[in-house]
Amino acid sequence: ELKVEQNPLFLSMQEGKNYTIYCNYSTTSDRLYWYRQDPGKSLESLFVLLSNGAVKQEGRLMASLDTKARLSTLHITAAVHDLSATYFCAVDIRDYKLSFGAGTTVTVRA
Amino acid sequence: DGGITQSPKYLFRKEGQNVTLSCEQNLNHDAMYWYRQDPGQGLRLIYYSQIVNDFQKGDIAEGYSVSREKKESFPLTVTSAQKNPTAFYLCASRLTGGANTEAFFGQGTRLTVV
Repeated sequence: ELKVEQNPLFLSMQEGKNYTIYCNYSTTSDRLYWYRQDPGKSLESLFVLLSNGAVKQEGRLMASLDTKARLSTLHITAAVHDLSATYFCAVDIRDYKLSFGAGTTVTVRA
Repeated sequence: DGGITQSPKYLFRKEGQNVTLSCEQNLNHDAMYWYRQDPGQGLRLIYYSQIVNDFQKGDIAEGYSVSREKKESFPLTVTSAQKNPTAFYLCASRLTGGANTEAFFGQGTRLTVV
């Protein structure tokens, strides 16, 4: 059974500092996705990582994938208040079953 | 505009009642999904479907049923067998081939038992 684990589950960030969220998964997969969810809202796609070594960047967010280590990271550079949200990673396995991690709730403080 | 539409946005269910949540997409996506989200929790997969007239149980299928008679539609029925149905339900769809395989989500249905 696929397990997708994120850590930390809660992250209090100080504005201007850098942080990393980790996503580990237990079964071979080469497709990993990152999503953002604002309180009470639906999920918004951030990144699609489709191969080992893939790196994607958008603004202050950068995501990478190491399929050998079964690890993806979401790096936040110089945190700002607008980045406060819950971030989820999701992994594809056989039959297109898409499984999500528990989410990392990020709060950015001044 | 292309997208995924869930309805209703809010739904109230009485004890012992079945209710059906609607999910429609006009993105020509092959696969569709239903997830349940409890407060402060992640997404748990209820059912998913790769093609019309076929679907698979996810991790928490008990007390739920689905159908996929049309590519565009994937309704979820919450039956009376689901003892704790109060949650936020999210429907998603995506392509199953090529590079653009991320799932797109509807706005969700918030179900409350009264």
